[in-house]
This record gives sequence, C-alpha cells and structure tokens, in this order.
Amino acid sequence: EVLLVESGGGSVQRGGSLRLSCAASGFTFTNYAMSWVRQAPGKGLEWVSSISVSGASTYYADSVKGRFILSRDNSKNTLNLQMDSLRAEDTAMYYCAAGTGARGYWGQGTLVSVSS
Amino acid sequence: EIVMTQSPATLSASPGERATLSCWASQSASRSLAWYQQKPGQAPRLLIYGASIRAAGIPARFSGSGSETEFTLTISSLQSEDFAVYYCQQYNNWPQTFGQGTKVEIK
Repeated sequence: EVLLVESGGGSVQRGGSLRLSCAASGFTFTNYAMSWVRQAPGKGLEWVSSISVSGASTYYADSVKGRFILSRDNSKNTLNLQMDSLRAEDTAMYYCAAGTGARGYWGQGTLVSVSS
Repeated sequence: EIVMTQSPATLSASPGERATLSCWASQSASRSLAWYQQKPGQAPRLLIYGASIRAAGIPARFSGSGSETEFTLTISSLQSEDFAVYYCQQYNNWPQTFGQGTKVEIK
C-alpha cells in the first residue's frame, strides 16, 4: 500500500519557521520526483515546490521562492520542506505528492496556520 | 505563467446525467493536462493525465479530451460518489498551475 504521511504542521506566528516532513512507503521513492501542493481554507489547489529524483533540481512557486527550501533524503524515503519567514497567506493544508507532473499519490496533508 | 480557467464554477446535475467540465489554458499546455477529483476533507485524487489517459482504477465513465488550450472532462453518467470538486492542472510549463475548480453538486 502506498503511503505518504506528512508531519510538522502547526500554528506559528508571522515571521516564524516550520519544517514539514513527508514519509513515503509502499513504492520506490527513488523513482519519483516529489512535490508539495497546498490548499488555503476554502480555496483551490496551489503548487508550491517540486524536487527531482536525485534532489539536484528544485522548483518553487514565486510566492515561496527565497523563503522555502525543499530537500529529500533518499536513504530514508523522506521529503522535507523548510519554511521560513512565514506569512499569513501561507496558512493552508500542505499535501505531499509523488510526481512533478500528474500526481497519482497524495498524502492526507498537514495543516499550517500562521497568525499575525 | 499559464493561467487555467475552469467553467462552470458550479454544475448542478442529477444522478445518471452526463456532466461536461471545461478547462482553458491561457497559452498552450500541449497535452500536459491532468484532472483531479477532491471530496471534502480528502486529498485530491488523480483521474486523468496526458489530457485523456485514465489513471489506474478510474472508472470508464470518466473521460478527458482536448489539447493545447482547450480541455474537457466528461462524466458519462453521474454516480452519487462523483459529486465533488474537480480541478484541472497543467504541467507543461513551470510554474505548474491549477484551475480554480468546478463543483459538481446534486440537483
């Protein structure tokens, strides 16, 4: 069974930091580029960041560029998103997903709430 | 950035009816287009990729068509479990972008 389990969400003040993690199992992690997609309360989906299979290439939405850093540990089948200088508009459910194009595997999400 | 626009925002239909959802891209997305279904409190579920290829386990009543800037998701006969929000997403260019969603509700 494919599992993507996110963790690390929570409440933080504006300007603070959080580190999200995604633990993957049930598929060959090293065969998949990985991504984060977020969804603000009551809103649509927004792509946040993607990382290549090796981790050598990363891509970011303009809204998070320079504040978020995406990395992966292929030895531990984990994906990490370091989020700094958080803003109120970063408040959302953050989903980990396998793939950089069409994403067939998704986690259940971890909620990030940024208060001002 | 490619802007994805979905229509209608809400589609009211009865079980058994055919539903047609549209998605337009502000510039060519080639056939790099996916459709997702999302139910309340759940993660999105991939339905279609490559504009017309059904993902594993997706019922045949779901079909996708189109290319370049115009795409369509058709549900041939709505089942009770199909009432949800549907998103299109282009992955031809960075940044990847989603449409704003179409809510399919029971009439």
